[in-house]
Amino acid sequence: EPEVTQTPSHQVTQMGQEVILRCVPISNHLYFYWYRQILGQKVEFLVSFYNNEISEKSEIFDDQFSVERPDGSNFTLKIRSTKLEDSAMYFCASSEGWPSGGTGELFFGEGSRLTVL
Amino acid sequence: GQNIDQPTEMTATEGAIVQINCTYQTSGFNGLFWYQQHAGEAPTFLSYNVLDGLEEKGRFSSFLSRSKGYSYLLLKELQMKDSASYLCAVRGYSNDYKLSFGAGTTVTVRA
Repeated sequence: EPEVTQTPSHQVTQMGQEVILRCVPISNHLYFYWYRQILGQKVEFLVSFYNNEISEKSEIFDDQFSVERPDGSNFTLKIRSTKLEDSAMYFCASSEGWPSGGTGELFFGEGSRLTVL
Repeated sequence: GQNIDQPTEMTATEGAIVQINCTYQTSGFNGLFWYQQHAGEAPTFLSYNVLDGLEEKGRFSSFLSRSKGYSYLLLKELQMKDSASYLCAVRGYSNDYKLSFGAGTTVTVRA
């Protein structure tokens, strides 16, 4: 069964360092997302991406964050200068959109746990 | 924006039934989803409702009332492996079909 894959599964970094989290969405999906989940809290929307550009971003997604689809398969989230409060699980998700007769559910990767020291 | 409320925790006995309620307020509505999330893992899709009524899928059923902004997820014949967090999520009017999630309900199944 197709799945969303994410690397790394866990990254530990020092405050102020740059981090890149990588995702390979499901191949025929058109919409890509990054969500984050701080330990014990809810899954929060960060950004959506469609047709090689950002569709929507939340208040969390400030100038320190950027996303890119550098080739036909990868989708990356970059945090330029990490802060302690960026420590969280980051989930990549992809979707077909809302196809006729379908649900348009989001498929999530296993997540990348980021720990900022 | 979206405001999604669900209880924080519920406990039930193996073999029993549990109903998890979700109420939402949204500026637009294009579907309600339930996801299951085991600790430290990714959310996985359980069910989808866009029209009023009950959708049944094996041991899991989900109900929607759009006029009341209300949904529930019913878990029947509970098993130990059903111990997880259950996330209610709403798709609003947007071009990107993103979901907004509630805080989740942690269900603990006891023997």
